[in-house]
Amino acid sequence: ETGVTQTPRHLVMGMTNKKSLKCEQHLGHNAMYWYKQSAKKPLELMFVYSLEERVENNSVPSRFSPECPNSSHLFLHLHTLQPEDSALYLCASSLRLAPDTQYFGPGTRLTVL
Amino acid sequence: AQSVTQLGSHVSVSEGALVLLRCNYSSSVPPYLFWYVQYPNQGLQLLLKYTTGATLVKGINGFEAEFKKSETSFHLTKPSAHMSDAAEYFCAVCLKGSQGNLIFGKGTKLSVKP
Repeated sequence: ETGVTQTPRHLVMGMTNKKSLKCEQHLGHNAMYWYKQSAKKPLELMFVYSLEERVENNSVPSRFSPECPNSSHLFLHLHTLQPEDSALYLCASSLRLAPDTQYFGPGTRLTVL
Repeated sequence: AQSVTQLGSHVSVSEGALVLLRCNYSSSVPPYLFWYVQYPNQGLQLLLKYTTGATLVKGINGFEAEFKKSETSFHLTKPSAHMSDAAEYFCAVCLKGSQGNLIFGKGTKLSVKP
């Protein structure tokens, strides 16, 4: 595997479920990011980790919980989501924080029923 | 507060024609500026970025952009469109020292007609 990978690629969950999104980067980067991409809205930065420490949390509801166990892996734990949380969730990584180039994974398409 | 405005959510050009995608930003200080491209069912890929130095930046696939401080613009151009350029393009800004916080525009979908 090369670059940034995300699993699963598609996820359908009910509002009472608990699920997790996984991101793995094979680039030796030190910073990782979660973004939310909704239709007709700008890409929204959710969380930023640098050297496994969270450095940015853009007022994201607590039903989204990130975890960064090491510099190669990033998780987004989901629980009691709402239908408006349905979106494409993108993970990215960069060698250091901006302005270093962010490399994106293909995303997880999440549908909340 | 920073913001990014991309004029035109959808732009259509003929193959071989000039591509011009507009981006204006709002920032109290000159930010770092980026253009990303997203093909269907894929993540975003960096086309080019401006950090310091020369204001005309060349990127991949024949694209370039010019940072104009007086106009607070960073428009993306390509002299001759190819069918393979059809995708969605995102302009983004990042304030120096902002811990990696990229602010994206809403995107412009480019269609290329044969």
